[in-house]
Order: sequence, then structure tokens, then C-alpha cells
Amino acid sequence: KAGVTQTPRYLIKTRGQQVTLSCSPISGHRSVSWYQQTPGQGLQFLFEYFSETQRNKGNFPGRFSGRQFSNSRSEMNVSTLELGDSALYLCASSPAPGQGAYEQYFGPGTRLTVT
Amino acid sequence: AQSVTQPDIHITVSEGASLELRCNYSYGATPYLFWYVQSPGQGLQLLLKYFSGDTLVQGIKGFEAEFKRSQSSFNLRKPSVHWSDAAEYFCAVGPTGGFKTIFGAGTRLFVKA
Repeated sequence: KAGVTQTPRYLIKTRGQQVTLSCSPISGHRSVSWYQQTPGQGLQFLFEYFSETQRNKGNFPGRFSGRQFSNSRSEMNVSTLELGDSALYLCASSPAPGQGAYEQYFGPGTRLTVT
Repeated sequence: AQSVTQPDIHITVSEGASLELRCNYSYGATPYLFWYVQSPGQGLQLLLKYFSGDTLVQGIKGFEAEFKRSQSSFNLRKPSVHWSDAAEYFCAVGPTGGFKTIFGAGTRLFVKA
């Protein structure tokens, strides 16, 4: 099976712009989670989607939003970018509900740099 | 509140030596526990998981971990470290409320020749 894919891998944006990141989960996985990783804050949970519904959201401002499509692909959007949004954004997918549901399979990440 | 603590920010081990990375968790029920590894610039890879049953679990790349309920610990071990094991290691616990997995701050492993 193909792994989790994220596009683009690298992105440079200017303060005030907005950005959309894309994630394609492993085939058959219905849950997608997003994380922000920075050297200072570590891995921080952004949100989790299952069957197109956001089930949980981390402690991030409303500038961060996401959605999931019927094919389980997910996008996250950050509006009005700030310098502090520079980070590695990781997407992870999980199998359907069940004992294995909480194993997460990560994509390579999108490295976002805000200048 | 649920939490995961990795007491060591970084550890240096000689190649061929044994390794133990510590992880302590705080969780009200029986947790699902995970160890992940991240190489520089890459995503996280699942090394092993504990859901129930045998408290000693085997993972990929020769790693194992032992769940000790009495100590709320899930330490990762490897008998002989290879230079390619140099990476950052994350302990995680889930599910917490709202289907969220909580990650520790990570332990960076350096391997010296």
C-alpha cells in the first residue's frame, strides 16, 4: 500500500498570505490528524477528521482550519500567516475504528517557511 | 490530565551499546501506548505499540518496550545500537478524549562511533 502523501513538501510564504496543505491517507484509512511540529513546542495536535467530520481540535487560533473529503483526503488551511506559523506540518492517518484505530501512520510533512 | 513525559531530552550511546529510553504516562484507564521514531526532516514512523496482553512488545528494527502499569512506564529498549538508529524518539498515549493521541516531547538519540 502506498503511504501517506503530503503536498507540497516545501513551501515559502509571506506574512499575511494564506496557505493550503494537502494530505492523502493510506487507502482504507478514514481518520486523518494534523500536527504542527516546531523545535520549541514539539508536536502539537491541530485537528482530527473522521468521515468528513472534525472530531477534535487542538488549541490553535481560528486561522487554522481543515476539512476532509468523501475519499478521506484532507486539507488544512492557514490564513493570515504569521512568522510563528513556520513549522513542519504533519498529517497522519489511522485505520477504521477498532483496536488498531489509534495507530497513526505519518506522511513526510510539509515544511512551511513564513518570511 | 493525561500526559506523557520523556525525561531525557537527549541521550548519547556508543555504537553497539544497549539503549533504554524512558517514558512515563498519566492516564486514567488502560492506555494504548506507542513509540515512534523520526529521522531528520521526515515524518514519524511507528516502532511498536501496546494495546493489551503481554507487557513486553516487540517492534521493528530490533526495538522492544515493556509496559509496567505499577510504574506508569513504557520504556523503549534495544540491546545493540547501530549508527542508523540516531534519530528522535517519541512516546505517545491514546486515545484521550476526542480521539486524540498525546505525544511526549521526544528524546534525541546520538550514536557515537
